[in-house]
Amino acid sequence: AQKVTQAQTEISVVEKEDVTLDCVYETRDTTYYLFWYKQPPSGELVFLIRRNSFDEQNEISGRYSWNFQKSTSSFNFTITASQVVDSAVYFCALSPWGTGNQFYFGTGTSLTVIP
Amino acid sequence: DGGITQSPKYLFRKEGQNVTLSCEQNLNHDAMYWYRQDPGQGLRLIYYSQIVNDFQKGDIAEGYSVSREKKESFPLTVTSAQKNPTAFYLCASRQTSGLGELFFGEGSRLTVL
Repeated sequence: AQKVTQAQTEISVVEKEDVTLDCVYETRDTTYYLFWYKQPPSGELVFLIRRNSFDEQNEISGRYSWNFQKSTSSFNFTITASQVVDSAVYFCALSPWGTGNQFYFGTGTSLTVIP
Repeated sequence: DGGITQSPKYLFRKEGQNVTLSCEQNLNHDAMYWYRQDPGQGLRLIYYSQIVNDFQKGDIAEGYSVSREKKESFPLTVTSAQKNPTAFYLCASRQTSGLGELFFGEGSRLTVL
């Protein structure tokens, strides 16, 4: 079975706080890709990062960082020093190699950053 | 600029009417997708196509139809058989080689009156 779980439905933080969005996935494929997308109020999903299953190195991009741990099947996303512009819904997604280009999305985490 | 164009952005429909949502991409991507998003829910796959003249049903295909006559275009028809069509519809595309990311359009919001 292919599945992505984002247990946090809604999170609110005060500006400048750090926040971590959790993502847990299930797949039997050994080759797969993981993604994070941001959906601002305008509605369009914006790609943030892609990770393949053979690369467990953590990645940092400005205030964003991602922690990929195969041992716990998790791909968590941390925003450091959050800003109001970070308010959005964030989706984690899984694309296993053997599923004909299908994507499996979590239900999303709605982040509100309070000024 | 390369990207995906969805139209219309907002659409109102009376019950019993079919409506077609347009999706055009100039990214030269092979695969195209249609997702439905309801408030507070994730994205659910309606249909996807990996090549011209071929498409597969997703998880919630009932009441929807698609065509893929050109690589650039993947229109979605919401038929009167769809019981609860009010939703936000997102079109996406992807280059199939290398399992790249999905590129999304801005979405179409359909409201049935």
